[in-house]
Amino acid sequence: EAGVAQSPRYKIIEKRQSVAFWCNPISGHATLYWYQQILGQGPKLLIQFQNNGVVDDSQLPKDRFSAERLKGVDSTLKIQPAKLEDSAVYLCASSLARPPGQTFHNEQFFGPGTRLTVL
Amino acid sequence: AQKVTQAQTEISVVEKEDVTLDCVYETRDTTYYLFWYKQPPSGELVFLIRRNSFDEQNEISGRYSWNFQKSTSSFNFTITASQVVDSAVYFCALSGSEDFFKAAGNKLTFGGGTRVLVKP
Repeated sequence: EAGVAQSPRYKIIEKRQSVAFWCNPISGHATLYWYQQILGQGPKLLIQFQNNGVVDDSQLPKDRFSAERLKGVDSTLKIQPAKLEDSAVYLCASSLARPPGQTFHNEQFFGPGTRLTVL
Repeated sequence: AQKVTQAQTEISVVEKEDVTLDCVYETRDTTYYLFWYKQPPSGELVFLIRRNSFDEQNEISGRYSWNFQKSTSSFNFTITASQVVDSAVYFCALSGSEDFFKAAGNKLTFGGGTRVLVKP
């Protein structure tokens, strides 16, 4: 079974430029997550999708970050314009959907991440 | 609000020694899940174990074991007879019931991680 795919693996840009990351989740996984991992810290959730709808984007800096999952499969995360503090690894994860009200927590599978350096 | 604290930033051991990673969490939820993930140098987070708040029974899985104590809000993780391949950053994470009752909510709150270096 193929895992979560992400591209590019590395990206170097200058501040104020734009950048986009792509993620293809595991087939059949309705839930998709984007996390930001700053060097030396744990991942922080940016946005969570259920199919093509947003479940949680409370920690997404919406003035510069945007994300979409138009067909409910792959997703793109965009930063425009980038700042120095956006330098981080951006991790995509996916999981099976779980109906609301059920407490079982489906395992999240993570991709290899995209390492962004903003100069 | 949920919080996960891993006080140890780095642990260095010699191969075959046991290593225990500490994790302390905060949550107001009565139902929650706790996790340990491993992040090797390649960068991909690998799921290791999951525990729900209803079950405080401690278990062993191969060389991994965990000690869940609800009374002290701790979820410690032990690698027995460490190997060089265990060298990685280990993250403790929490998912609370507030998220369960959103549509498919599975939000993970991670600790800061503990780097484990196993020397041959």
